[in-house]
Amino acid sequence: AQSVAQPEDQVNVAEGNPLTVKCTYSVSGNPYLFWYVQYPNRGLQFLLKYITGDNLVKGSYGFEAEFNKSQTSFHLKKPSALVSDSALYFCAVATNTGFQKLVFGTGTRLLVSP
Amino acid sequence: EPEVTQTPSHQVTQMGQEVILRCVPISNHLYFYWYRQILGQKVEFLVSFYNNEISEKSEIFDDQFSVERPDGSNFTLKIRSTKLEDSAMYFCASTPTSGGYNEQFFGPGTRLTVL
Repeated sequence: AQSVAQPEDQVNVAEGNPLTVKCTYSVSGNPYLFWYVQYPNRGLQFLLKYITGDNLVKGSYGFEAEFNKSQTSFHLKKPSALVSDSALYFCAVATNTGFQKLVFGTGTRLLVSP
Repeated sequence: EPEVTQTPSHQVTQMGQEVILRCVPISNHLYFYWYRQILGQKVEFLVSFYNNEISEKSEIFDDQFSVERPDGSNFTLKIRSTKLEDSAMYFCASTPTSGGYNEQFFGPGTRLTVL
């Protein structure tokens, strides 16, 4: 069965500093990996995805993520955090079998302080 | 930019009552989904729907739940007899095609409170 782990409930970072939000996954077969962000009272917004190819994928708002097959990880990164990045971040996985049911992690709250 | 919309934003109901949550997916999308998020917990898949049929459903999606696309635009989730444990945020999502590589477009959610 597919699963995603986000080991940190909250990540605190100062504005201007780099940030990393961690995600590890478990699937049988090839993974399709996604990051979504949720702002208060809003739905889930797509940030980026890994399907195949280059292990470093770039997405919206300056975010990027690195796929590491050997460590089964897909950590979200940003070189310089903004206060406006403060939100709830979800990692999710789907596979290439059947329809694209997404399996989500528990979410990580990112708090960027001025 | 086209977006998925959901109504109502908040629904309060008494235990045992029926509720219908409504979603308008993006107009050219063909695959539709419902997820739920119990407060403080992860987002969980409920059901996927394509060509007027359920494609896949989770163990959560029991006989109390049903989905329907009553017209060309709406996609509804019905809970026939609500329970306290149905209190959650319900998200609708859609994609233009099948395939796990497609990102899903989510609506803002409906917060269901069962009293």
